Formats: sequence, C-alpha cells, structure tokens
Amino acid sequence: DIQMTQSPPSLSASVGDRITITCRAGQSINNFLNWYQQQPGKAPKLLIYSASSLQSGVPSRFSGSGSGTDFTLTISSLQPEDFATYFCQQSYTSPWTFGQGTKVEI
Amino acid sequence: EVQMVESGGGLVQPGRSLRLSCVTSGFRFDDYAMHWVRQVPKKGLEWVSGISWNSGRVGYVDSVKGRFTISRDNAKNSLYLQMNSLRTEDMGLYYCARDSSPYYYGSGRYYDVWGQGTTVIVSS
Repeated sequence: DIQMTQSPPSLSASVGDRITITCRAGQSINNFLNWYQQQPGKAPKLLIYSASSLQSGVPSRFSGSGSGTDFTLTISSLQPEDFATYFCQQSYTSPWTFGQGTKVEI
Repeated sequence: EVQMVESGGGLVQPGRSLRLSCVTSGFRFDDYAMHWVRQVPKKGLEWVSGISWNSGRVGYVDSVKGRFTISRDNAKNSLYLQMNSLRTEDMGLYYCARDSSPYYYGSGRYYDVWGQGTTVIVSS
C-alpha cells in the first residue's frame, strides 16, 4: 500500500493567514492526489482533485499543487469556516490511501 | 439535492454480523461506482470496499476480505455492506462515498459525495 504522510499534524493560525499543508507519497503517484476538508462532526468534503483542480463550489482561496511524491494544499486567506481537518488521498493505485490529517486550529 | 444516508450501524459482539445500508437520492445512482470508507479515531480514514456501477467488479481492503460483502441495488438507489465475523478492529464510523467514475478501479478518481456515516461498535 502507498503510505501518505502529511505535515504538520496540526497548526495554529489566524483569520486572514496564508497556510500550506504538505502531503508526501511513499512512491510516485503522478498527479493522482486529492484533498478533503472535514469539519467537526461532519463528513469529509472534496476540495481539490488531481492535485490542482478545484472542485465545483469550492472557494478560490483553496489551491493545490505538486506531482510525483510531493504535494501542497494552500489556503490563501483563512476564513473562520476553514478551521477543520484536512486529508490528502492518493488515487494512483488500489487500495486508495489517506494521509493522517492536518488539523487547522485557531 | 444529492443525498446519501447510511444506516444499520450499532453495537455488536465480536463474531456477529451487521448489514449497513446507504440510500441515495438526487442523482442517477447507476452512473457511479460506490465505496465504503471508515474512519477510526487516531487511525484516520480507510477505504474498505468498492463496487462498480453494474456490480461487475468489487474490491476489498485485505483486512475484510472473506468477511465483508459489498452489494448494490440500482433499482432502489442503494448500497449495502454485509459485515460478518466482526472484530474489534472493524469499529469505526462507516461512510458511503460516491466515486467520480462508474468504475471503482483505475487511477485519477475521487470521492465527490459522502454520506454522514453510521457508527459500528464491536464489543462484548
């Protein structure tokens, strides 16, 4: 199975901050990397697919980049509703695997 | 509005069975592969099983092979997971998730819709 490692596990930030979350794959996964946001008590929500494509309805302050083994999720200006946990997930090969998550706290 | 509602979770003793259901609405169910994904505190998210649009192909994580069976009824817009010989390590919040493709296998896909989940607790 492909191991996905996110960093940092958690971070503290303020409204308006720019933050970056990193996801590293245990082997090259081309650009088959997705990002999800999970707010407390809710199901995950797709933000970014194929490393850099913004899911419909997701605000443009979210962006993704990377290919091969190293990927990033950037939030350009944190909003109150962005305080949540973020997961990366590879869809290069089965079984699809997730990172352990990055919790973004106030 | 696209909706997916899971049910069937609960408290069960080790070795017993449960059947999870996911009823969907608001989209053409047989256009999509479907999956079960579970979330365990401190262990994160784990894909459990997937099924293609016509049930032609199914897949399971190694730890549930031979114990769990995924199925779907396109006429009822529903997805199921029969869970037998449950173990404590099967505990978690089980989500049904819609694939971006009719096929559960192949690269470059994603889960674009999730249900709210149903909780499975395995304990004596």
